[in-house]
Amino acid sequence: GAVVSQHPSRVICKSGTSVKIECRSLDFQATTMFWYRQFPKQSLMLMATSNEGSKATYEQGVEKDKFLINHASLTLSTLTVTSAHPEDSSFYICSARQGGRETEAFFGQGTRLTVV
Amino acid sequence: GQNIDQPTEMTATEGAIVQINCTYQTSGFNGLFWYQQHAGEAPTFLSYNVLDGLEEKGRFSSFLSRSKGYSYLLLKELQMKDSASYLCAALDSNYQLIWGAGTKLIIKP
Repeated sequence: GAVVSQHPSRVICKSGTSVKIECRSLDFQATTMFWYRQFPKQSLMLMATSNEGSKATYEQGVEKDKFLINHASLTLSTLTVTSAHPEDSSFYICSARQGGRETEAFFGQGTRLTVV
Repeated sequence: GQNIDQPTEMTATEGAIVQINCTYQTSGFNGLFWYQQHAGEAPTFLSYNVLDGLEEKGRFSSFLSRSKGYSYLLLKELQMKDSASYLCAALDSNYQLIWGAGTKLIIKP
C-alpha cells in the first residue's frame, strides 16, 4: 500500500511553545489529507481536512488559530500546535487519500505530543 | 445524528474465530472501512465494502448489509499478533469518515 510518513513520532515541549508536525505522502500524490487527534482508549477525532492549495476545513470545536494546518503541496501537509498547553497532549495522526473519495486513507505513524 | 456502534472489548482464544460487529447510522452511505490499530500505533487499512456481501482476504473477511446498516469483521485462525483495536468507519453522503470507538480484541493462548 501507499506510504505516509509522519514526523516526529514523539515530541515533548514546554507549555507556551509551538510544535510543528509534518505529514508526507511518499509514493503518491495526496489531494486530501486529514488530521486526527486520539485520546487513550478513544476513537479518532477528526480535527480538519485539508486540500492542496486551499484553506483547511476545521471541525466544529477545533480552534483554527491554535491548530494551524498548511497543505502546500500534493505530498506535504503540516500541523502546527501553537502556544501548546498540557491539555493539548495527545496522539496526533494524519492520513492521506490517494485517489477518489471511496478509496482508503493511509495513515502516518502518529505523533505523541507531551506538553510539560 | 450519525452514529457507529461496535462492542468495546472482546476476548477470543488463539486459533479460534471471532466476529466483530458494527452497526451504523449515517446521512447517506458510501462504503464502510475496517482498520486495525495496535496500541500506540496508527491504524492500518483492512477492508472496504460498499456492496452487500462477504469479501474475503486471507484470514480476514468483512461483510456488509446496507439494508440493515450492519457490517462485521471475521477473523479466522486467530494469532496473538491479532490482539489490537479494530475500528469501523462509514463514509457518509459527503464522503466524510464517521468513526466508531473501536473494539479492543484480546487474544488468549
